[in-house]
Amino acid sequence: ETGVTQTPRHLVMGMTNKKSLKCEQHLGHNAMYWYKQSAKKPLELMFVYSLEERVENNSVPSRFSPECPNSSHLFLHLHTLQPEDSALYLCASSTTSGSSYNEQFFGPGTRLTVL
Amino acid sequence: RKEVEQDPGPFNVPEGATVAFNCTYSNSASQSFFWYRQDCRKEPKLLMSVYSSGNEDGRFTAQLNRASQYISLLIRDSKLSDSATYLCVVNWIGGATNKLIFGTGTLLAVQP
Repeated sequence: ETGVTQTPRHLVMGMTNKKSLKCEQHLGHNAMYWYKQSAKKPLELMFVYSLEERVENNSVPSRFSPECPNSSHLFLHLHTLQPEDSALYLCASSTTSGSSYNEQFFGPGTRLTVL
Repeated sequence: RKEVEQDPGPFNVPEGATVAFNCTYSNSASQSFFWYRQDCRKEPKLLMSVYSSGNEDGRFTAQLNRASQYISLLIRDSKLSDSATYLCVVNWIGGATNKLIFGTGTLLAVQP
């Protein structure tokens, strides 16, 4: 496997379900990200992990819970979602140079539908 | 003012045409700039970084104007395969925060 992979690619869940999205990067990067992309909107940064520590949390509702067990893996745990949470969830990774983040490489995304 | 602003388009151009996209950003402390390409229902992919001196990669030329806080992307001799959404991305620095901000994207449709 190379690059950034995400599973599952498609997910349909009810509002009371609990599910997790998984991301894995094989690029040796030290920063990983979760983004949400809704129709007609720009990518919205949700979480940033640098060296496995969360450094950014853009006021995301607590029904989204990230986990970064190591530098290659990132999870997004979902609980009690709302229909408006339906979107494409993209994972990305990059290197960091000092305090700057460099080019990000994206996974194929998980298309989530909340019924 | 939006942090990163782009004309959403669509830009409908014939094959072989030259097309240019502009993007403006609000944070004068931004240090890194990129153009990404996103095909329909696919993930964004890095097209090119944008350097202060301007840079070229084949048919693509990117330029940065720090004084006016805008970035441009020029595509020469458009191909059908260039049809996609082009995302302007800026490294945004604010206090302890350092992150990439994406524009909404400009849709390009190259017609045969």
